[in-house]
Amino acid sequence: AQTVTQSQPEMSVQEAETVTLSCTYDTSESDYYLFWYKQPPSRQMILVIRQEAYKQQNATENRFSVNFQKAAKSFSLKISDSQLGDAAMYFCAYSPYNQGGKLIFGQGTELSVKP
Amino acid sequence: ETGVTQTPRHLVMGMTNKKSLKCEQHLGHNAMYWYKQSAKKPLELMFVYNFKEQTENNSVPSRFSPECPNSSHLFLHLHTLQPEDSALYLCASSQGSDSDTQYFGPGTRLTVL
Repeated sequence: AQTVTQSQPEMSVQEAETVTLSCTYDTSESDYYLFWYKQPPSRQMILVIRQEAYKQQNATENRFSVNFQKAAKSFSLKISDSQLGDAAMYFCAYSPYNQGGKLIFGQGTELSVKP
Repeated sequence: ETGVTQTPRHLVMGMTNKKSLKCEQHLGHNAMYWYKQSAKKPLELMFVYNFKEQTENNSVPSRFSPECPNSSHLFLHLHTLQPEDSALYLCASSQGSDSDTQYFGPGTRLTVL
């Protein structure tokens, strides 16, 4: 079965500091995509970053970067220079290639940012 | 309007009511999705439509009935729901249906009394 696990239900970071959110997944597929989505209190799910499994280079989007370890099936999100607006639920998601757009989500990590 | 919109944002209904949720995307995408988000549980994919054709039904009870009249609109018709169906229902769209990035609407908070 394809599953996504986020082992940290809650995390906290000081403003301007760096925090890393963990995600592991289980799959027998070799081609797939991984995503981090952010859901603030407004509930709008927003894409943070996307990684193609065939790419060895870790994706980066401004203050957000990932550490993709394919062999370990690990996909962590690093947020640098944390801002108050980063406070939200963060969901890791997995999408197998060529399976009709199926997105499998983890349970989420609630990130709070302290001023 | 831009992105993905959903109406209504909040809905309270009785178990015998019939109601519909509406989703509209303004991104020119070809695939649309319904997800259910319950408290303390991961998002669950319910339905996938690609070019108006349903390509995925994730074992959803028949009291949920989707409709996709065109690539821009998606409905979820609700009837004889149960209290455990109370949740946030999210709509999403993507360019195609194969691992393209999905863009989400703000959701409809449904409460079934």
